[in-house]
Amino acid sequence: DGGITQSPKYLFRKEGQNVTLSCEQNLNHDAMYWYRQDPGQGLRLIYYSQIVNDFQKGDIAEGYSVSREKKESFPLTVTSAQKNPTAFYLCASSIWFAGDEKLFFGSGTQLSVL
Amino acid sequence: AQSVTQLGSHVSVSEGALVLLRCNYSSSVPPYLFWYVQYPNQGLQLLLKYTSAATLVKGINGFEAEFKKSETSFHLTKPSAHMSDAAEYFCAVRRSGGYQKVTFGIGTKLQVIP
Repeated sequence: DGGITQSPKYLFRKEGQNVTLSCEQNLNHDAMYWYRQDPGQGLRLIYYSQIVNDFQKGDIAEGYSVSREKKESFPLTVTSAQKNPTAFYLCASSIWFAGDEKLFFGSGTQLSVL
Repeated sequence: AQSVTQLGSHVSVSEGALVLLRCNYSSSVPPYLFWYVQYPNQGLQLLLKYTSAATLVKGINGFEAEFKKSETSFHLTKPSAHMSDAAEYFCAVRRSGGYQKVTFGIGTKLQVIP
């Protein structure tokens, strides 16, 4: 059963703590993305990776870090420098098909601050 | 720069009534335009997309959208609302290139009243 798996579904962070959100895909997609979703603000791009061992900052990368050591995995770390981390985080992957890119989303992780 | 404006963060319709969700875009070049749907605590799912092949685009679940260049609009419609249509809908715009260049709107929550 192919898809994108995000875990955990709910995560709580204590002040000053780093937390890592997992994103795994078995779709053999090259590109992967992390978005942050806040109510009334839509989705904003945090980081993206178009190939293994390479990633680029998106619009709101401050306070976040990522790695892409394997094609199927793109974990996101929310560091203590991110002062307002409460949000719904969505991971996505994409593939080019018939001259266009198709994007697939995971089910998200809700991060809250204790 | 490119952007989308979704008019109305909340829309309520009666079951069986017309659904109209508004989206206006600004883009300096002909854009790719998308509508996505998000059910609670889920990722986004593509409803339809405009890629300049035809101005009237038909999507899944009976939705369609019309690209009107003169009005810079890409409104989403469905003739008859079902209870299962209750969700949040996002308009998005992308210039040529990958999804790192996509801009999402703030979303419109659709409530369907029995």
